[in-house]
Amino acid sequence: DGGITQSPKYLFRKEGQNVTLSCEQNLNHDAMYWYRQDPGQGLRLIYYSQIVNDFQKGDIAEGYSVSREKKESFPLTVTSAQKNPTAFYLCASSPRQSSNQPQHFGDGTRLSIL
Amino acid sequence: GDSVTQMEGPVTLSEEAFLTINCTYTATGYPSLFWYVQYPGEGLQLLLKATKADDKGSNKGFEATYRKETTSFHLEKGSVQVSDSAVYFCALHYLSIQGAQKLVFGQGTRLTINP
Repeated sequence: DGGITQSPKYLFRKEGQNVTLSCEQNLNHDAMYWYRQDPGQGLRLIYYSQIVNDFQKGDIAEGYSVSREKKESFPLTVTSAQKNPTAFYLCASSPRQSSNQPQHFGDGTRLSIL
Repeated sequence: GDSVTQMEGPVTLSEEAFLTINCTYTATGYPSLFWYVQYPGEGLQLLLKATKADDKGSNKGFEATYRKETTSFHLEKGSVQVSDSAVYFCALHYLSIQGAQKLVFGQGTRLTINP
């Protein structure tokens, strides 16, 4: 079955360390997205990519970086510059330039600071 | 800018009760409207959608009607079950000028159904 795989499910980071969250999709979607979810809040967009080797900042990109070297993969790095990284991170994908096709979501990675 | 406002939670109901979760939006264009559901420890799943005014989306006994005159997309279910316990997100969906999909989420409403 096609879908989005995020790994790991739980991740712990020490102060001052960078950490990379994995997101892989086999839906043949062009566009991929990273969201952050905090308790009692909706999802906020961190970065998105419409096509390989291209990506754009979302609403809260500071302290994060991404790459899109392959269509199937869109890893997110949480850098030491992100002062409050503890959150639930969700990756999503969608066909490009289709306003009626919904985004498909992975099961998320929960990041905690030790 | 575009925004979505959802009914404050948490909401607690007994099994077989009637459910309404209110959602209103502000948008400059003509967005699609979605309801997503998030079960504990999981990602979001699309529950239903409506792409234009007066459309009704429905799935698993849930339904919502796109009301342009009241800028609303309230979620309803006639008889809830314990398995409906989850967090529900209303979202506004449109294409940016650059052709990118954008989703604007409400803050989510936690629903608990007691047997």
